Amino acid sequence: DAGVIQSPRHEVTEMGQEVTLRCKPISGHNSLFWYRQTMMRGLELLIYFNNNVPIDDSGMPEDRFSAKMPNASFSTLKIQPSEPRDSAVYFCASSFWGGDGEQFFGPGTRLTVL
Amino acid sequence: DAKTTQPNSMESNEEEPVHLPCNHSTISGTDYIHWYRQLPSQGPEYVIHGLTSNVNNRMASLAIAEDRKSSTLILHRATLRDAAVYYCILRDVAGNQFYFGTGTSLTVIP
Repeated sequence: DAGVIQSPRHEVTEMGQEVTLRCKPISGHNSLFWYRQTMMRGLELLIYFNNNVPIDDSGMPEDRFSAKMPNASFSTLKIQPSEPRDSAVYFCASSFWGGDGEQFFGPGTRLTVL
Repeated sequence: DAKTTQPNSMESNEEEPVHLPCNHSTISGTDYIHWYRQLPSQGPEYVIHGLTSNVNNRMASLAIAEDRKSSTLILHRATLRDAAVYYCILRDVAGNQFYFGTGTSLTVIP
């Protein structure tokens, strides 16, 4: 398996633009997690899905952020409109719910909002 | 959610053992102890996890205190490639989400 795949790896955009980050989890995994990492706040859990259903989105910072998982092999995290304070590395991770809880992380998307 | 406390940073000489401590005094009986590490410019990766008994794998060993209020990750022979931020995380058996703390930044000195 190729592991968790994220795209794009780097994104530079201007304030006010819409940004869409994409994630393909490991085949067979039924849990998916979106994290954000900054120097100031560390690694934060934004939202996670079990069997494509959002379970906990309490970490989503505000209504500008939204996440979807239309099927077991694809998820998106959208920011609209983007702001400079959204600049961070966004990680997607997947795991098998009901297993030992090991999460496999993707390489991350480095987002810069100018 | 139960919290963990780790030293901000530690240093080790190459090829020496490293003991990374973690305090989790509010741990519940159903919390698993997970350790992940994050190499520079990469996503976190799994190291080891346990519930009550000590655990060993090819990467490390996990020593869990009898009262489970603390644990220690042991790298038996540190290499330069082990330089990373190490996170100690508690996961309730009923859920599968992680809440990362600040971790310990390990520097390995050649």
